[in-house]
This record gives sequence, C-alpha cells and structure tokens, in this order.
Amino acid sequence: AQSVTQLDSQVPVFEEAPVELRCNYSSSVSVYLFWYVQYPNQGLQLLLKYLSGSTLVKGINGFEAEFNKSQTSFHLRKPSVHISDTAEYFCAVSRSGAAGNKLTFGGGTRVLVKP
Amino acid sequence: DTGVSQNPRHKITKRGQNVTFRCDPISEHNRLYWYRQTLGQGPEFLTYFQNEAQLEKSRLLSDRFSAERPKGSFSTLEIQRTEQGDSAMYLCASSPGTAFYNSPLHFGNGTRLTVT
Repeated sequence: AQSVTQLDSQVPVFEEAPVELRCNYSSSVSVYLFWYVQYPNQGLQLLLKYLSGSTLVKGINGFEAEFNKSQTSFHLRKPSVHISDTAEYFCAVSRSGAAGNKLTFGGGTRVLVKP
Repeated sequence: DTGVSQNPRHKITKRGQNVTFRCDPISEHNRLYWYRQTLGQGPEFLTYFQNEAQLEKSRLLSDRFSAERPKGSFSTLEIQRTEQGDSAMYLCASSPGTAFYNSPLHFGNGTRLTVT
C-alpha cells in the first residue's frame, strides 16, 4: 500500500513570491507521482506527473516538481505566484506498471496568495 | 473530449433517504473511478471499473453503497439510508485503461451531497 503526506495544510504567500509545497510518500513498490490542483467547487486538474526519466518535471501554469527517490519526496514549486494560484493542491501516487492508475492522495495544501 | 460529467452538482437529502449520482466518463475511457472527499481532506478511493466489471472496492464502501456501470459507459453510485456522515463531495474520474496504465485520471466537478 502507498501513503502520501503533505506536510503543510496551509501556505500563505504574497503575490510574485516563490512557493514550495512539500510532499513525501511511502511505498514498497515503484510509483508514479502526480500533483493536482482543485479550485473551489471544482474537480481536480492535473498539474504535472512523474513517470520516469528526468527527476525535474515541468507542468502547467509555471509549476515544476522534483522527484527525490532517496528522500521519497516530490515537492512542488513555482518561482512567482499569481492571485489566480489560490487553490488547494494535492500530491498523489499510483503503483507503476500495469497495476497503475488508481491514485492515493495526500491531505492537501491550501495556498492563499495575498496581494 | 467533453470531459467527465457528473450529475447532479448538488444534492441535499434527509437522513434515511436514498440518493443516486451519475457519472459520464470521457468517451472510450475504459476505467472509471469513484472517490469521496470530505471537507479539508484529500480524495479517498471508493471503487473502480474496467469496462463494466467492478474490479476493486475500498473498505470505505459500506453495504449501503453500491456502484454500477452496466454497459461500460456511464456509472451510477447509490447510497441507501443516508447518514450525516455521508455528507461529502463524490468525485468521478476516468482514464483510458489497461494499455495506458500511466495515463493520469481525468476528474469531473463532483457531486456535493449534504445529508440533513
């Protein structure tokens, strides 16, 4: 079984400042890693994913994440946030290979961008 | 690609009543998933289908919950004898399926259930 821990439940940040959202996972098998964003009263939208290869992954809206296998982490970063980045962000894992697709989510990090 | 569609968007019901939600996945997506999200929490897996076959059910899915996908297209999730603890957002997601096991899930906007 897999589990995901998002270390910060809320992150306030000023507009145009950088932000980092922390994610650590636990798994006895190889995993794929994902970050999703959820705006109020909406479903989840994929920001980026790590399947294999380069450990630095770039996603939509200027976000990027780095996979660190030794630290079992997949932290999300953005160098300069906008008001529109105010949302909840979820880190998720799935088993790699043919047993994949089913996601296990972390508890989420709420980002509040202040002007 | 019209996206994953869920109906209704909101449902308010009295405790003890039955409710049914519908999910229409992206066409030709073989896998369909149901998740539950309570306030301030991440989504929790409930069940998933490969075509019409229900392949896995979470222990969260009590006997009062039943999901179907009769023709391998849309799916319904029914909750019988609702309880206040069932109040949550119910999310549906789909993905292309077995040959595309590294494809991300595409989520609908969810059905928010309030049990009074």
